Amino acid sequence: SQQGEEDPQALSIQEGENATMNCSYKTSINNLQWYRQNSGRGLVHLILIRSNEREKHSGRLRVTLDTSKKSSSLLITASRAADTASYFCATDAGFNKFYFGSGTKLNVKP
Amino acid sequence: DSGVTQTPKHLITATGQRVTLRCSPRSGDLSVYWYQQSLDQGLQFLIQYYNGEERAKGNILERFSAQQFPDLHSELNLSSLELGDSALYFCASSERTGFFTDTQYFGPGTRLTVL
Repeated sequence: SQQGEEDPQALSIQEGENATMNCSYKTSINNLQWYRQNSGRGLVHLILIRSNEREKHSGRLRVTLDTSKKSSSLLITASRAADTASYFCATDAGFNKFYFGSGTKLNVKP
Repeated sequence: DSGVTQTPKHLITATGQRVTLRCSPRSGDLSVYWYQQSLDQGLQFLIQYYNGEERAKGNILERFSAQQFPDLHSELNLSSLELGDSALYFCASSERTGFFTDTQYFGPGTRLTVL
């Protein structure tokens, strides 16, 4: 990927467990977003974190951003089967440099 | 349902042909974005329009073009199609022109298959 790489590529957990996905990027950014995509469908925006923020919460989602390491993590707590999807980070590096990562496929087993 | 509609859902065509994909944004949204998602290239931003004007350009090929009409719907034209153009094409819309700081609402996509 030109900018973002998610890790792991795939993650399989049991319902109720926490899921953590990581995103690394290469250049300075203005902000970073996380999206969810159910199989073959459009993306759904989850959360945006600005470059001057370190942590953000939304419901069962917790996002952290470490600009010194050029990395972000998405934590989904108390996962549910409905959380099964691919998760992408997307970075805005300015000057119309807007990249999605390669995605993490999350499978939550009931 | 995001409120963004795309037609057609599926499109099968041959190499060298030209196709037009259509997107209607959510009511009230002025910005429209186009994305391509393929297995080898992943998800790529192509182009953004705001209130009829081109606002930002990403990895859009010269064979591809887009426009946004006065009623704010948008069309993505793909010409001289190649096998590698087979992909899911998504349209998204947002309320303002803040681009990446705006929440984008994605349509269901058009699956293009080039044979």
